[in-house]
Amino acid sequence: DQQVKQNSPSLSVQEGRISILNCDYTNSMFDYFLWYKKYPAEGPTFLISISSIKDKNEDGRFTVFLNKSAKHLSLHIVPSQPGDSAVYFCAASATGANNLFFGTGTRLTVIP
Amino acid sequence: EPEVTQTPSHQVTQMGQEVILRCVPISNHLYFYWYRQILGQKVEFLVSFYNNEISEKSEIFDDQFSVERPDGSNFTLKIRSTKLEDSAMYFCASSTPGLAGVSSYEQYFGPGTRLTVT
Repeated sequence: DQQVKQNSPSLSVQEGRISILNCDYTNSMFDYFLWYKKYPAEGPTFLISISSIKDKNEDGRFTVFLNKSAKHLSLHIVPSQPGDSAVYFCAASATGANNLFFGTGTRLTVIP
Repeated sequence: EPEVTQTPSHQVTQMGQEVILRCVPISNHLYFYWYRQILGQKVEFLVSFYNNEISEKSEIFDDQFSVERPDGSNFTLKIRSTKLEDSAMYFCASSTPGLAGVSSYEQYFGPGTRLTVT
């Protein structure tokens, strides 16, 4: 069951630069997408989301872009900070469903 | 800021034993969920619960699993007879009602319970 994929298991970025995390999905019924951040020994923390009626949503340093035709979304963090170092999960949901489908995560390391 | 809490943080049990994992969702949330993450794998949905009944469950959530909201604040996951492959982090989550009574898609997660079955 690989409905949500994050093909990069890890990413390293210098502090102050842009971090771009990518996510692909296969299920065309998905219409809501979320990014979660997870630190070790903690649960996933909701970061930002986007509905399929939009192609961009911005919240401070975090922007999520959605390309429905490519079934692709990305999370941009700019500028990246050392405190952003964590595992980032992409998740997707469909109208009427209660469950989230998660990707495998990308470990972001921001180098001071 | 309100948060989801889970107890215990770590549970060690022998194969075949029953375990109960406990969660206190955010107080004004009405939808409750359990997910699990086996080491090195993705977070997987187990079950959702609304209005005192299961609203959705995955293939993982077989007859060995049950959920309950025994009072106005707790939400529990019971595994009747644990197997080695049940070893995982178990996350509880909750969400508010969204539009037209559908659960909000933003689910808020607890810190997890690490279950180790020996």
